[in-house]
Amino acid sequence: AQSVAQPEDQVNVAEGNPLTVKCTYSVSGNPYLFWYVQYPNRGLQFLLKYITGDNLVKGSYGFEAEFNKSQTSFHLKKPSALVSDSALYFCAVRDSGNTPLVFGKGTRLSVIA
Amino acid sequence: DVKVTQSSRYLVKRTGEKVFLECVQDMDHENMFWYRQDPGLGLRLIYFSYDVKMKEKGDIPEGYSVSREKKERFSLILESASTNQTSMYLCASIPPEGPGTDTQYFGPGTRLTVL
Repeated sequence: AQSVAQPEDQVNVAEGNPLTVKCTYSVSGNPYLFWYVQYPNRGLQFLLKYITGDNLVKGSYGFEAEFNKSQTSFHLKKPSALVSDSALYFCAVRDSGNTPLVFGKGTRLSVIA
Repeated sequence: DVKVTQSSRYLVKRTGEKVFLECVQDMDHENMFWYRQDPGLGLRLIYFSYDVKMKEKGDIPEGYSVSREKKERFSLILESASTNQTSMYLCASIPPEGPGTDTQYFGPGTRLTVL
């Protein structure tokens, strides 16, 4: 069975500092990994994905994520945080192209001015 | 741009009522999903469908049913609403499997309150 762990419920970072939101996964085959963001009272928006290829994936709004197969991790990063990045972030995984995504419990990011 | 719409943003119902949540996508996607989102629990899959008239149970199907009469529409039904079904409900769809076509698109969500 597939699963995703987001070990931090909340991450606080000062504006301008680098941010990392952690994600580890478990899947039987090759993983398809995703990050989504949810702003207050909104649906989920796609940020980036890893399917195959380069381990460093770049996505929307300056975010990137690094796929690490040996550590089964897919941490979300940004070199310089903005207050507007404050939101709820979800990591998700599936093991083939059209099966349902399995989501982590989410990490709330607060960027403080 | 892919668009997934949900019939209501906010809904208030009474215990025991039958509730219909509608989801429509405009990109001819075959695969559609219903999740509920609760604080501290993330998103949990209720039901999904890979084709018209087809449905599969997700992780938490109890108390829910679904209907997929047309490809673009996937309805979630609460047969007899209960207070523990108060939640945010999110619909999603993905296109057929293929390179670059596996991103799951979400609707804006329906916040349901059952009194």
